[in-house]
Amino acid sequence: GAVVSQHPSRVICKSGTSVKIECRSLDFQATTMFWYRQFPKKSLMLMATSNEGSKATYEQGVEKDKFLINHASLTLSTLTVTSAHPEDSSFYICSARDVWQGRGETQYFGPGTRLLVL
Amino acid sequence: GQQLNQSPQSMFIQEGEDVSMNCTSSSIFNTWLWYKQDPGEGPVLLIALYKAGELTSNGRLTAQFGITRKDSFLNISASIPSDVGIYFCAGQNDKIIFGKGTRLHILP
Repeated sequence: GAVVSQHPSRVICKSGTSVKIECRSLDFQATTMFWYRQFPKKSLMLMATSNEGSKATYEQGVEKDKFLINHASLTLSTLTVTSAHPEDSSFYICSARDVWQGRGETQYFGPGTRLLVL
Repeated sequence: GQQLNQSPQSMFIQEGEDVSMNCTSSSIFNTWLWYKQDPGEGPVLLIALYKAGELTSNGRLTAQFGITRKDSFLNISASIPSDVGIYFCAGQNDKIIFGKGTRLHILP
C-alpha cells in the first residue's frame, strides 16, 4: 500500500528556534499534501493544504508566517515552525493525496512528528 | 465551519463484546472514513464509504454511510485486546474533517 513518511519522528528544540518537518510520499506522487496538528487527547485539526508548485492554503486561525509550508516536488512537502514557542509543542501529522492508479482521492497519513519546545 | 459529532467519547468494554460508535454532521459529505490511531502514531484508515446507504465490512469491522450523507456508524464485533485505541470518523469533500474520536478501552 501507499506509504507516507515523516522526518523527524520527534524533535526537541529551544524556544525561539525554527524546526523543519518533512513529509514524503514514498511510492506515489502527491500533488496535494495536508498538514494537521493534534494536541494530546484531541482530534486532528487541519492546518493547511500544500499544493505542489504553488502557495499553501491555510485554515482560518493558522498563521502562515508562523507555519511555513513548501511543496517543491511531487513527493515532498515541508512544514517549518518558525520561532517556536512552548505552545507550539504538539503532534504534527501530514497526509498525501494519491489521485493516480485508480485510488481516487485517497489520502494516506504519515506517522507524525512530535515537537517539544522547551 | 464543518463539525462532526462523534459518540461516545470513550467506551469501557469486556473482551469479546461488540462495539458501536457513530458520527453525525450538519453538513453533507461525499465520503465517510473511519480511522484508528494508536498512541504516538498517525491514523490508519479502516474503512472508506463512498455512497449513501453503503454498508462495508473489513474483517470484524462494519461501517455504514448514512442515507442522508450526514452520518455514519462503525461496529466492531467480538472485540480483542488489540482493538484498544482511538477511533476517528472523518467526512471528506475536498478536505478531510475529523470527529473528536472515541477512545476504546478493553477491560481485562
